[in-house]
Amino acid sequence: EAQVTQNPRYLITVTGKKLTVTCSQNMNHEYMSWYRQDPGLGLRQIYYSMNVEVTDKGDVPEGYKVSRKEKRNFPLILESPSPNQTSLYFCASSLWPGKNTYEQYFGPGTRLTVT
Amino acid sequence: GIQVEQSPPDLILQEGANSTLRCNFSDSVNNLQWFHQNPWGQLINLFYIPSGTKQNGRLSATTVATERYSLLYISSSQTTDSGVYFCAALTGGFKTIFGAGTRLFVKA
Repeated sequence: EAQVTQNPRYLITVTGKKLTVTCSQNMNHEYMSWYRQDPGLGLRQIYYSMNVEVTDKGDVPEGYKVSRKEKRNFPLILESPSPNQTSLYFCASSLWPGKNTYEQYFGPGTRLTVT
Repeated sequence: GIQVEQSPPDLILQEGANSTLRCNFSDSVNNLQWFHQNPWGQLINLFYIPSGTKQNGRLSATTVATERYSLLYISSSQTTDSGVYFCAALTGGFKTIFGAGTRLFVKA
């Protein structure tokens, strides 16, 4: 089954404790992306990746890191989480956006609470 | 950067009614997509529609790229249509910009 998976689905942590949210897709997609969703603000892009070893900042990259060492995986790293990073996080993937069939597929979301 | 605006922000319908949701974007975009976020938070693809018109059952969408807007039509609404509808635009630099969404509630 074609899908985007995220882990963990729920996480409660404390300020300053490094964490990683994993994202994996099995569709051989080139484009992968992380978003955060906050009430009243919709979804905002954190980072995106056009392919292996190619990443770029979205609109809200501060406090986050990403890596793309393999095509299928795109982990989101919070080196020192703070309470303002409490949010619902989504990973997404698609074929390379230059192709006519560009369509993003989303993971189930990770609800993160930083106390 | 590109701005994506959706209207209305909130919409309440009686079951069976029709509705039109709008998405305006401030500059040319490469692609446009519509999503439905159900009450459980899951984001579901509805349409990939950079231009033209598409239909899928009771839903259809039209994008007029030259005039920088897209419309999502919901006909004969059902309670299961409730949730939040987002449009998302892909910019020339390959960033994705979401609108703030239209929250729809369909009453039985």
